[in-house]
Amino acid sequence: RKEVEQDPGPFNVPEGATVAFNCTYSNSASQSFFWYRQDCRKEPKLLMSVYSSGNEDGRFTAQLNRASQYISLLIRDSKLSDSATYLCVVNGGFKTIFGAGTRLFVKA
Amino acid sequence: DAGITQSPRHKVTETGTPVTLRCHQTENHRYMYWYRQDPGHGLRLIHYSYGVKDTDKGEVSDGYSVSRSKTEDFLLTLESATSSQTSVYFCAISESTGGGNQPQHFGDGTRLSIL
Repeated sequence: RKEVEQDPGPFNVPEGATVAFNCTYSNSASQSFFWYRQDCRKEPKLLMSVYSSGNEDGRFTAQLNRASQYISLLIRDSKLSDSATYLCVVNGGFKTIFGAGTRLFVKA
Repeated sequence: DAGITQSPRHKVTETGTPVTLRCHQTENHRYMYWYRQDPGHGLRLIHYSYGVKDTDKGEVSDGYSVSRSKTEDFLLTLESATSSQTSVYFCAISESTGGGNQPQHFGDGTRLSIL
């Protein structure tokens, strides 16, 4: 079992749609969690941290479920510019583990 | 954006030649990392550093060495490049390591092709 697993997608959605990504992790001692966005042929960029109580940044909402060991990212009102690969990242045990990413295509 | 500069941005070289990639940061962060990213594998850690002259191996360190003689510079060397090392290489920095709660920030990447 991979330490961090994501559905690779791709997710193809129309503009304005709501889309959700999940990510599961295996280390129950993991301490911090993030979502990154990576555009084609670019570096990963931090999208948002994920807090235990859940957090929102504009159209983006991140949630953490420690009991089930997964984090989620919800994107509301999708824009064409949201098309990218979304990476789930888990810190714990002095290691940072990156998921392989979920590809999102938003179409007009 | 985090002050991270990778050089060169692109390089094409031949099998068997030595290659050195440079990562330079202006953030004074303690931790620096080298990753490679290949289709189907995501980001894989090659080596990381937790201070000047303090480095350790990641999951794919064979064929690579690193050095950190100054806080701001982290060098990745391929002593004798092979075609399997053709990849995109990213440098990252962070204020804390995996046990902390600080995220990593990435440089623009180096596209390395070994013919």
